[in-house]
Amino acid sequence: QKEVEQDPGPLSVPEGAIVSLNCTYSNSAFQYFMWYRQYSRKGPELLMYTYSSGNKEDGRFTAQVDKSSKYISLFIRDSQPSDSATYLCASWGEYGNKLVFGAGTILRVKS
Amino acid sequence: NAGVTQTPKFQVLKTGQSMTLQCAQDMNHNSMYWYRQDPGMGLRLIYYSASEGTTDKGEVPNGYNVSRLNKREFSLRLESAAPSQTSVYFCASTEGSWVRYFGPGTRLTVL
Repeated sequence: QKEVEQDPGPLSVPEGAIVSLNCTYSNSAFQYFMWYRQYSRKGPELLMYTYSSGNKEDGRFTAQVDKSSKYISLFIRDSQPSDSATYLCASWGEYGNKLVFGAGTILRVKS
Repeated sequence: NAGVTQTPKFQVLKTGQSMTLQCAQDMNHNSMYWYRQDPGMGLRLIYYSASEGTTDKGEVPNGYNVSRLNKREFSLRLESAAPSQTSVYFCASTEGSWVRYFGPGTRLTVL
């Protein structure tokens, strides 16, 4: 079993929709949770990170972590065609330098 | 400020050939990383360097060697390329606990 699981999609939504992207993780030692956005044929870019449980909001993006269920979510409000990309979740624990990535979810926002 | 740069962008090798992937960062970061990205597998850590003069194995180090030439540069060498090493390779750097900046990637095909 992978330490971080992510549905590969693709997830296709109309412009303006609320998007929910999700990951699950298995390692209780993970404390930091990140979301990266990767446009086609580009390197990933760090979008947001959260520490432990709770929500973090940045503009149209909200990251949510539920440590009790080991569930990580990224919500995108008022989705735009420019949001079309692959979204990678990742988790990190203080026990080592190992950042564990999910496989990524392909998101397509149609205008 | 170029961030993280990688050369070459594309490469085709025959089985058994060798090559070196170059990476440089101009952000004065201590930590640098090499990842490979394969469909359905996400990003997997090959090697990392926490500071100049140190390197450590990641999740998938077999078939690779690295050199942290100085604080700016971190190279990845394939001594005898195999088809299983066909992948997209990303270099990354950070100052802190997790990866923040990725390069644009090198697309490698081994025939």
